[in-house]
Amino acid sequence: GAGVSQSPRYKVAKRGQDVALRCDPISGHVSLFWYQQALGQGPEFLTYFQNEAQLDKSGLPSDRFFAERPEGSVSTLKIQRTQQEDSAVYLCASSLIGGTSGRGYNEQFFGPGTRLTVL
Amino acid sequence: KQEVTQIPAALSVPEGENLVLNCSFTDSAIYNLQWFRQDPGKGLTSLLLIQSSQREQTSGRLNASLDKSSGRSTLYIAASQPGDSATYLCAVSGWDSNYQLIWGAGTKLIIKP
Repeated sequence: GAGVSQSPRYKVAKRGQDVALRCDPISGHVSLFWYQQALGQGPEFLTYFQNEAQLDKSGLPSDRFFAERPEGSVSTLKIQRTQQEDSAVYLCASSLIGGTSGRGYNEQFFGPGTRLTVL
Repeated sequence: KQEVTQIPAALSVPEGENLVLNCSFTDSAIYNLQWFRQDPGKGLTSLLLIQSSQREQTSGRLNASLDKSSGRSTLYIAASQPGDSATYLCAVSGWDSNYQLIWGAGTKLIIKP
């Protein structure tokens, strides 16, 4: 079956430009996650959606970062006024259900990522 | 604050060898620990998941162990093959928000034919 897809796969932006990164989760998956992975580092959590509700955005590095999932399926991560430090791979993951304390855990399936380079 | 460390950062071994990758974490109160494989341009694939109540998990040539008291996990790969070449990452989750994975920086593994 189809996995998590992300587009574009590569994005080059000039400093100051706005960018939008798209994630198509696995059909029927309730939860969706965004991660940022700098070169040579592990991913870092950005935000978490359960259906259309953004339940956790504690990892967003600044107010230039904004994520939405208006219909509970496709999600978009928007970065305004990009800076060079935003250069990274942005990973999206989805899971059948999300987890909170005591409610079980579902495996997260990852997309291939979008590599953003800000010049 | 939970911190995850993986040593070594890179490892190169001849084909056929058994090898061990290490992962350590600072807070032993984890919900679970996972090992992932990352191939260039292909995202992350979950290899093994160990719940906090478990000591180990096995899948084929892979065996992962968990020692919460010492804050350590190891990934054992038996009879390594060139196709095992990839970056291996471990990630832990906590009880308060078990969806939020805290990651190590990974070990880049190269298996030489």
